Amino acid sequence: QKEVEQDPGPLSVPEGAIVSLNCTYSNSAFQYFMWYRQYSRKGPELLMYTYSSGNKEDGRFTAQVDKSSKYISLFIRDSQPSDSATYLCAMNAGTASKLTFGTGTRLQVTL
Amino acid sequence: NAGVTQTPKFQVLKTGQSMTLQCAQDMNHNSMYWYRQDPGMGLRLIYYSASEGTTDKGEVPNGYNVSRLNKREFSLRLESAAPSQTSVYFCASTDGPTYEQYFGPGTRLTVT
Repeated sequence: QKEVEQDPGPLSVPEGAIVSLNCTYSNSAFQYFMWYRQYSRKGPELLMYTYSSGNKEDGRFTAQVDKSSKYISLFIRDSQPSDSATYLCAMNAGTASKLTFGTGTRLQVTL
Repeated sequence: NAGVTQTPKFQVLKTGQSMTLQCAQDMNHNSMYWYRQDPGMGLRLIYYSASEGTTDKGEVPNGYNVSRLNKREFSLRLESAAPSQTSVYFCASTDGPTYEQYFGPGTRLTVT
């Protein structure tokens, strides 16, 4: 079983929809949780990170962590075609620790 | 500021051939990483260098070697390429928490 599980999609939604992307994990030592966005044929870029449990909001994006359930989510409000990309969750046990990535969920926002 | 650059962008090798993937960053970062990305497997760490002069194995180091040439450059060498090494290779760097990694554009490698 992988340490981090993520549904690969693809997920197709109409413009303006609320998108929910999720990951589950098994390692209770993970403390930092990240979402990276990767456009086609590009390298990943950090979108958001969260420490421990709780919510963090940045514009249209909200990251949520539930450590008791070992479940993290990324919500995108008012989705735009420019949000079409692969979203990778990642996590680690400390600020100097190596990252463990999910496989990524491909999102398509249609007009 | 170019960030993280990788060369070449694409490469096709025959089984048994060798090659070196180059990575350079101009952000004065201490730590650098090499990942491979395969469908259904996500990003997996091959090797990393926490600082100039040090290198360590990641999750999938077999068949690869690395050199941290200086603070800017971190190369990945395939001594005898195998079809299982067909992948997209990404270099990344950071100078702070490891969650804040900056990635290059990738090298698409096909081994036939």
